Amino acid sequence: AQSVTQLGSHVSVSEGALVLLRCNYSSSVPPYLFWYVQYPNQGLQLLLKYTSAATLVKGINGFEAEFKKSETSFHLTKPSAHMSDAAEYFCAVSDRNGGSNYKLTFGKGTLLTVNP
Amino acid sequence: SAVISQKPSRDICQRGTSLTIQCQVDSQVTMMFWYRQQPGQSLTLIATANQGSEATYESGFVIDKFPISRPNLTFSTLTVSNMSPEDSSIYLCSVAEDPYQPQHFGDGTRLSIL
Repeated sequence: AQSVTQLGSHVSVSEGALVLLRCNYSSSVPPYLFWYVQYPNQGLQLLLKYTSAATLVKGINGFEAEFKKSETSFHLTKPSAHMSDAAEYFCAVSDRNGGSNYKLTFGKGTLLTVNP
Repeated sequence: SAVISQKPSRDICQRGTSLTIQCQVDSQVTMMFWYRQQPGQSLTLIATANQGSEATYESGFVIDKFPISRPNLTFSTLTVSNMSPEDSSIYLCSVAEDPYQPQHFGDGTRLSIL
C-alpha cells in the first residue's frame, strides 16, 4: 500500500521567509503526486500536481515542488511567505496506473503559520 | 475545474439520528468520492460513488453505516446513519474527470453529534 509522510505537523515562518514543507512517499513505481491546501472552514484546493517527466512543478500562489525519485520526495517550497499562506497543507499520492481503483492517499498534513 | 456544492455546510445532530449530505457538481464527472476528515486529522476515503451501481467502500466503512447514492453524473449523496459522537467530522465530496486527473473538492460538511 502506498503511504505519504509529511515531516513536521507544524511549520512556523516569518513573513517574507522561505517556506519548505516536506513530503516523502513510498511507491514501487513513480506515482502521481499532489499538494493541496486547506484554509479554515474550507475544502481542499489543488496547489500543484506531478504527473509527468518534468521534475519541477509550478503551482498557484507562487508555490512549486520538485520531484526527486532518488529521494522519493516531493517537497513544497515558496521563496517568500505571505500572511495569506497560513493554512493546512496536504501531500497526496495516487497510483500512476489509475484504473478503477483510483485512490488518493493523504499525508497527515502540515499546519503553516506565518508570523508578521 | 468543476464547481462542487455540498449541503449542508454544517449541522449539529442528536445521537441515533441520520443525516444525508448532498454533493452537486456543475458538470458531468466520471468519478466521485466521499472522504472523512476527523478533527485535527488527515482525509480518509470512505467510498467511491459509482453511477448506476453500488458504491465501492474502503476497509473499515460499510454500506449500512454510510449508504451512498449516485443517480447521475452530477449528483451524489452520503448518509451518515445512527450517528454517535465518534462520527463528528468533516465530510468531503471530491470529483475527477478520470483516474489520471487531480481530484477537486467541495467545501465539506462539518458535522457535530451531541
